[in-house]
Amino acid sequence: DAGITQSPRHKVTETGTPVTLRCHQTENHRYMYWYRQDPGHGLRLIHYSYGVKDTDKGEVSDGYSVSRSKTEDFLLTLESATSSQTSVYFCATAGQNYGYTFGSGTRLTVV
Amino acid sequence: KNEVEQSPQNLTAQEGEFITINCSYSVGISALHWLQQHPGGGIVSLFMLSSGKKKHGRLIATINIQEKHSSLHITASHPRDSAVYICAKIFTGNQFYFGTGTSLTVIP
Repeated sequence: DAGITQSPRHKVTETGTPVTLRCHQTENHRYMYWYRQDPGHGLRLIHYSYGVKDTDKGEVSDGYSVSRSKTEDFLLTLESATSSQTSVYFCATAGQNYGYTFGSGTRLTVV
Repeated sequence: KNEVEQSPQNLTAQEGEFITINCSYSVGISALHWLQQHPGGGIVSLFMLSSGKKKHGRLIATINIQEKHSSLHITASHPRDSAVYICAKIFTGNQFYFGTGTSLTVIP
């Protein structure tokens, strides 16, 4: 996962609080993604970005928002965390020729 | 709806065995990725292929575009190969759909 840093790596938060996860890349990739990974499901796309300030919804976007003010940073915000958002969140980037790189993941627990 | 199906879901093998993991998909693709996720959680890309076959060390990936099917083979399996293997199809706009993964355990 060289070139992609996710923060925090672990977080426990209370129901109803806002939470922001950060993804930082040094690869200058145009495309950035946020996924969640849950038992019994493949990685599911939450939101993605195809450039600065250009974002779009994925398969499971309800309750999440994103922002990309710089090429290198892609933020995922849980506006009001719920227990169903307890998951492992992965950021990924895609460069030319579909080269794909993942971050190390953020384990979020909502209590 | 999951447009990528993997089989088997779980696989246990003895060290040294030849292993095959299968991936099928329902709609045409631009390319397909094979990914590896170790128990620590990190995900790495093993292969990306759009036709034919690729080999890296003991790993071989093949794809048949007409049959919408790909396989990942591991020769002379080793306990360090124990991981979850995920296939992901890529189509236009850099959109990816992921399979649910195959959990492989290689026993010494």
